[in-house]
Amino acid sequence: GENVEQHPSTLSVQEGDSAVIKCTYSDSASNYFPWYKQELGKGPQLIIDIRSNVGEKKDQRIAVTLNKTAKHFSLHITETQPEDSAVYFCAASRVNDMRFGAGTRLTVKP
Amino acid sequence: GAVVSQHPSWVICKSGTSVKIECRSLDFQATTMFWYRQFPKQSLMLMATSNEGSKATYEQGVEKDKFLINHASLTLSTLTVTSAHPEDSSFYICSARGGTIGRGLYEQYFGPGTRLTVT
Repeated sequence: GENVEQHPSTLSVQEGDSAVIKCTYSDSASNYFPWYKQELGKGPQLIIDIRSNVGEKKDQRIAVTLNKTAKHFSLHITETQPEDSAVYFCAASRVNDMRFGAGTRLTVKP
Repeated sequence: GAVVSQHPSWVICKSGTSVKIECRSLDFQATTMFWYRQFPKQSLMLMATSNEGSKATYEQGVEKDKFLINHASLTLSTLTVTSAHPEDSSFYICSARGGTIGRGLYEQYFGPGTRLTVT
C-alpha cells in the first residue's frame, strides 16, 4: 500500500519568512496530492491540492510543487503570519484510498 | 469548499455504553464517506470507507462489530461505537467526497471532528 513520509515534524519560522514542508510517497499510481491544515481541536481543512499531470500550483501565499519522477511534493508558504501556525498534513491518493503523512507542526513567531 | 458537519462535537460516556456520531454533507451529495480516528499529536488513521447504500469497508485491525457504520443517504453517515471502553477515547473525524471523474472525484472534505471520552 501507499506510504507517505513527511518532513520536518516541527518547523518554527519568524513572521514574514517562508516555510517549506516536504513529502514523499511510494505508490506510483497515486495521482492526487492534497494538503490539509488542522488547527487544535478542529478537523483538517483542504488548503491546496495538485493532480499528477501538473508540476506546480499556486494560490496567493501558498504553492505546491510535484515531482512525479522522484515521487515527492512540497508545500511552500511565503510571507508567513502567526495565523498560519497549525499542523499541516500532506496526503497521496488514488480514488478511495488517501494516505496521510505524519504531519508538520508549524509555529510562526511574531 | 464543501461543508461537512459532525454531531456531537464532544461526548462523554460511561464504559460499556454505545455512542453514535453523525456526519452530514451540507451542500453536496457525498457518494463516499470516510471515518478516521486521531490520537493526540498523531496523524489521521483511516477506519473505514462507506459508499451510500453499501456496507462499509473496514481497514485491517478495525473491528466492524464494534464500530458500526451506516451510510443510508447521500448526505448522512453514522458511526456507532458499541460497548465503548476507555481505550476508544479519541478524536473521530469524518470526511465526505462527491463528484465524478473530472468534477471533484478526489477531493475529500472533513468534518470538525468529535471528541469522545469514555470514563
